[in-house]
Amino acid sequence: DAKTTQPPSMDCAEGRAANLPCNHSTISGNEYVYWYRQIHSQGPQYIIHGLKNNETNEMASLIITEDRKSSTLILPHATLRDTAVYYCIVRAGGSNYKLTFGKGTLLTVNP
Amino acid sequence: DTAVSQTPKYLVTQMGNDKSIKCEQNLGHDTMYWYKQDSKKFLKIMFSYNNKELIINETVPNRFSPKSPDKAHLNLHINSLELGDSAVYFCASSQVAGASSYNSPLHFGNGTRLTVT
Repeated sequence: DAKTTQPPSMDCAEGRAANLPCNHSTISGNEYVYWYRQIHSQGPQYIIHGLKNNETNEMASLIITEDRKSSTLILPHATLRDTAVYYCIVRAGGSNYKLTFGKGTLLTVNP
Repeated sequence: DTAVSQTPKYLVTQMGNDKSIKCEQNLGHDTMYWYKQDSKKFLKIMFSYNNKELIINETVPNRFSPKSPDKAHLNLHINSLELGDSAVYFCASSQVAGASSYNSPLHFGNGTRLTVT
């Protein structure tokens, strides 16, 4: 799986958009970008994934650059409950069962 | 109606003991996993079972023995516990699609915090 690079920490004001960047410059054509988050003392939670196109769901938006070498997770209106470690993971589709977590970004949403 | 449930939530035991952690998923997924999160918060895969068949074993000591009686259950038995086994163990499940398709996201349980004294 391609390696990802994320800032170790970020801050965001409550109610503002949180934009979390991820670099994956060695991504292959069949590799998807997944985002998970882990709130303190809980198991990781799936947020969103994408291959080429931008994606949006009830939790977040995922913007993938045209060359697919980086992406941004956007939480449009961050709340205190969004404080968590956010993981950007690149993984091929098909029979690849393994999801490898890096260090992630600790997002702290401040009141 | 918890999707992935693990028991127990906390487990405190002494070195040398044998213990088990149970995991059940009610999502109808065909693949289950065990992950270990150490004190530095790194989350590493240990095992994966697809339709009760072991498909991933990430250089885990053979003191750790997963058992999958059916697709909905994946238990983890640990023999001769060591101090270094102290960690949070997460169970997860997913539905693995066929070739050239993405696999469904992983659904995680809330973890079992194992403390070995």
